[in-house]
Amino acid sequence: EAQVTQNPRYLITVTGKKLTVTCSQNMNHEYMSWYRQDPGLGLRQIYYSMNVEVTDKGDVPEGYKVSRKEKRNFPLILESPSPNQTSLYFCASSTRTGDEQYFGPGTRLTVT
Amino acid sequence: AQTVTQSQPEMSVQEAETVTLSCTYDTSESDYYLFWYKQPPSRQMILVIRQEAYKQQNATENRFSVNFQKAAKSFSLKISDSQLGDAAMYFCAYRSTWIQGAQKLVFGQGTRLTINP
Repeated sequence: EAQVTQNPRYLITVTGKKLTVTCSQNMNHEYMSWYRQDPGLGLRQIYYSMNVEVTDKGDVPEGYKVSRKEKRNFPLILESPSPNQTSLYFCASSTRTGDEQYFGPGTRLTVT
Repeated sequence: AQTVTQSQPEMSVQEAETVTLSCTYDTSESDYYLFWYKQPPSRQMILVIRQEAYKQQNATENRFSVNFQKAAKSFSLKISDSQLGDAAMYFCAYRSTWIQGAQKLVFGQGTRLTINP
């Protein structure tokens, strides 16, 4: 089954404790992205990758890091989480020329 | 930069009735994609319908249809014969066809739709 998986689905952590949210897709997609969803703001892109070892900032990259060492994986790293990073996070993937993005199930992160 | 605006934070409709969700966008590009996504309580993002800007014909998927007005930069979603399962947050989104912009979706703020039995 074609899908994007994220782990964990829920995470509660404390300020400053490094964490990683994993994302994996099995569709051989070139493009992968991370979005965060906040009430009243919709979804906003954090980082994206157009292929292995090619990543760039989206609209709200501060406080986040990413890497793309393999085509299928695109982890999101919060090296020193803060309460303003409490949010719902989505990973998405797509082909380079396709119009549809495929979303993971979301990760609910709470930073206290 | 492109922007997408959904001016209705909440909408409600009686079951079996028709409801229209509004979306406007701003872009200087002539070719692009527009989407409506549904987000039920499970939080999964589900693609409802897509529209390619160069196509004049409005997209339709079963009970869901759009009214795409390119000159007015308007992209509304009509849901006919509303069902309880249609209750969700609905997001309008824009995607460029240019290489530099094609890697992301630009989302509106969302409209929460309630279906009254």
